Amino acid sequence: AQRVTQVQSTGSSQWGEVTLDCSYETSEYSYLILWYRQLFSGEMVFLIYQPSFDTQNQRSGHYSVVFQKSFKSISLVISASQPEDSGTYFCALSELPRNNYAQGLTFGLGTRVSVFP
Amino acid sequence: EAAVTQSPRSKVAVTGGKVTLSCHQTNNHDYMYWYRQDTGHGLRLIHYSYVADSTEKGDIPDGYKASRPSQENFSLILELASLSQTAVYFCASSDAREPTEVFFGKGTRLTVV
Repeated sequence: AQRVTQVQSTGSSQWGEVTLDCSYETSEYSYLILWYRQLFSGEMVFLIYQPSFDTQNQRSGHYSVVFQKSFKSISLVISASQPEDSGTYFCALSELPRNNYAQGLTFGLGTRVSVFP
Repeated sequence: EAAVTQSPRSKVAVTGGKVTLSCHQTNNHDYMYWYRQDTGHGLRLIHYSYVADSTEKGDIPDGYKASRPSQENFSLILELASLSQTAVYFCASSDAREPTEVFFGKGTRLTVV
């Protein structure tokens, strides 16, 4: 069963707001949700993360998240989107078991974003 | 600047042959990971390591071995390469105490024929 689920694709016109939805499954109390963008070269670029223990939605540049912990759901919001924001975005879960360290990331299948001029 | 270097960047291997993918990090990180990505999919964890000379199985370890001879180096070994192992492989490293700092290599495109 997929533990991290993402919408397959979404789009926007230039300067619009793009919202990428992600839902996840975990039994851990502590975890992180990270967002990556994969460039056309294949390179993975880290964008932003949300810790489970922080109720405040994180922001970084024109990226922000809307975290709904009780629903195990998080959305990445790209504001003032540009055509160069087009690409594939991945949501990833990093579980932090008590008395243990991170054990790798569980990725969703990615959301393909298209921003039109 | 943090760096994870993978070699080779691309490789064509013959079915049944042995393939070794290498990864080197200069981040002084404890953790290293190997992921595979199939076309149109996310990354899936194959093996990881949190200390030299020790490796752990990830979510899809079958058909793969890993080796961590030093903190800086982590190899992925396909003893008998199969067609189904054609994919892009990513190495990554992270600090055990800063799990948000995950640095990825640029990937190795492996084609098994």
